[in-house]
Amino acid sequence: DAGITQSPRHKVTETGTPVTLRCHQTENHRYMYWYRQDPGHGLRLIHYSYGVKDTDKGEVSDGYSVSRSKTEDFLLTLESATSSQTSVYFCAISDGVAKNIQYFGAGTRLSVL
Amino acid sequence: DAKTTQPTSMDCAEGRAANLPCNHSTISGNEYVYWYRQIHSQGPQYIIHGLKNNETNEMASLIITEDRKSSTLILPHATLRDTAVYYCIVRVKGGTTDSWGKLQFGAGTQVVVTP
Repeated sequence: DAGITQSPRHKVTETGTPVTLRCHQTENHRYMYWYRQDPGHGLRLIHYSYGVKDTDKGEVSDGYSVSRSKTEDFLLTLESATSSQTSVYFCAISDGVAKNIQYFGAGTRLSVL
Repeated sequence: DAKTTQPTSMDCAEGRAANLPCNHSTISGNEYVYWYRQIHSQGPQYIIHGLKNNETNEMASLIITEDRKSSTLILPHATLRDTAVYYCIVRVKGGTTDSWGKLQFGAGTQVVVTP
């Protein structure tokens, strides 16, 4: 998976609890993305980062926050998890030059009960 | 942002070529066509991309029509491992630079390769 590690791979949590998903890369790529994938919706962009401490919202950012304190790590936080955030979460990275190919991690399956 | 239209599903016999069509009639002149695929339960995988010329790599070929309003991904010799959802994506521009390269995924085409 192109030097991308997502952790945890699976998580079950309760409504109202905070959850943090981690994406770690060893490629030194500038751009990092968080997507969620749900049946009937495909992949949707949550947040992305275009550099250390530089982040912006995607199309489904409500209820999520992100942080990027160093190049290799991009954290996705659900401050107070809800059942609607049950999903599979994918991290992606890109070097952001002309080709802009995104490489995806293996995903984190999150269940909020 | 240009949208894409793909068939919902298609079947292909193992060993035969799989031709996956995609319509993107509103594509802008400097937008690229990307193809990704997603094998069940895995993260999406980049296949190929192009602007206006045909492209080929070790995985597939991409044929883009002269008016750029449609394209075809060709898997020359499909194998069972090519069973996946295939996404045709036109790169979305973002903010003051398009190098952020946010990808907008549609529903894709479910390709099933049968023995």
